[in-house]
Amino acid sequence: LAKTTQPISMDSYEGQEVNITCSHNNIATNDYITWYQQFPSQGPRFIIQGYKTKVTNEVASLFIPADRKSSTLSLPRVSLSDTAVYYCLVGRMDSSYKLIFGSGTRLLVRP
Amino acid sequence: DADVTQTPRNRITKTGKRIMLECSQTKGHDRMYWYRQDPGLGLRLIYYSFDVKDINKGEISDGYSVSRQAQAKFSLSLESAIPNQTALYFCATSDPPSGGTDTQYFGPGTRLTVL
Repeated sequence: LAKTTQPISMDSYEGQEVNITCSHNNIATNDYITWYQQFPSQGPRFIIQGYKTKVTNEVASLFIPADRKSSTLSLPRVSLSDTAVYYCLVGRMDSSYKLIFGSGTRLLVRP
Repeated sequence: DADVTQTPRNRITKTGKRIMLECSQTKGHDRMYWYRQDPGLGLRLIYYSFDVKDINKGEISDGYSVSRQAQAKFSLSLESAIPNQTALYFCATSDPPSGGTDTQYFGPGTRLTVL
């Protein structure tokens, strides 16, 4: 299983772009990279998933370099409501469960 | 996600009691999961089930058991609760996608306190 490393915490201000980087040096060929967001006392919520290059949806972008040993979640123009914990997961579920939730990155958005 | 419900939402119990946490989903997913989260930490997998006849241990299954009564229902039991099982418990569901890997949908959580 691919181990991930993320910053423990980050601070930002409203309106700024936030980039959270996740390292996953032993990612396997078939692994995908998935990011979840979790608010206090709530279950995690899916943000975005990718395999390589760049993926964008209505809430975030995910940048994955060619070697896939890291990935960066980009949140454009954050607001106070983006204050949460962000988890990077690397793996794939085919015939069995192959994911690990790390400790995540606590993002604090200030006014 | 309102499509995944957990009961009870909060429970306080005493050491040695048997406790059951229930999870129901209306998403029609085959795959269901139970996780535990301790304060300030990430989620750890207790058990998972890829279909009604499939039950698998996760990272921390000791002291827990599960039952998959139907596609929509997955229950977690603590046969004899102990204080270090005090935690936030989450149920989740997913279905294998045509591309990529599963997106998991989480319930609201059950806060369990064992005195």
